Amino acid sequence: QVLLQESGPGLVKPSETLSLTCTVSGASITTYFWSWVRLPPGKGLEWIGNVFYSGSTNYNPSLKSRVTISVDTSKSQFSLKMNSVTAADTAAYYCASYSGSYFFDNWGQGTLVTVSS
Amino acid sequence: SYELTQPSSVSVSPGQTATITCSGDKLEDQYASWYQQKPGQSPLLVIYQDIERPSGIPERFSGSNSGNTATLTISVTQPVDEADYYCQAWDSSAETVVFGGGTKLTVL
Repeated sequence: QVLLQESGPGLVKPSETLSLTCTVSGASITTYFWSWVRLPPGKGLEWIGNVFYSGSTNYNPSLKSRVTISVDTSKSQFSLKMNSVTAADTAAYYCASYSGSYFFDNWGQGTLVTVSS
Repeated sequence: SYELTQPSSVSVSPGQTATITCSGDKLEDQYASWYQQKPGQSPLLVIYQDIERPSGIPERFSGSNSGNTATLTISVTQPVDEADYYCQAWDSSAETVVFGGGTKLTVL
């Protein structure tokens, strides 16, 4: 069973950088693509981006200029950095495994990040 | 950019069949997946590769994908099925994941 656990600050100031880490257990991080998805309050799911264990990435075009997703295979972790955050980036952030057959099959429990001064 | 369109809400009586649609240009050329999300919980995969059901998902959940529309069908809908449902596909031309806007299913 693949388990994913998000970690990181729950409060970030406007204009600063949001940083989250997802720790993977129960599967090799070389097995899947790894993803970040968010759910803003009152809105729908929004894909942020994917990373493969090799380091190759795909990003949502609307966020690409502010987002970096990276992977640390030695720690079985992958990370999200989003710079220049605003209140619009307040959301529950989920990490997930993305199957090579184009679906998300395992999800973390999610972490709420609030952008506020 | 590729877009997936869902109705914002669907209502159904307990025991009846709920149908949630997801529309996108030539969607049948992509695999569609469906997720159920209840308040305060993570999304749960209920259908993948158009018609496949993960282990543990009740048989009353089924999917189809033809033309420009993917459909999630919940037969004999139960109050526990009340949730938000999202469709998702891979835009192969842009190499991006796309979610539909979500459908709130009300069972009353």
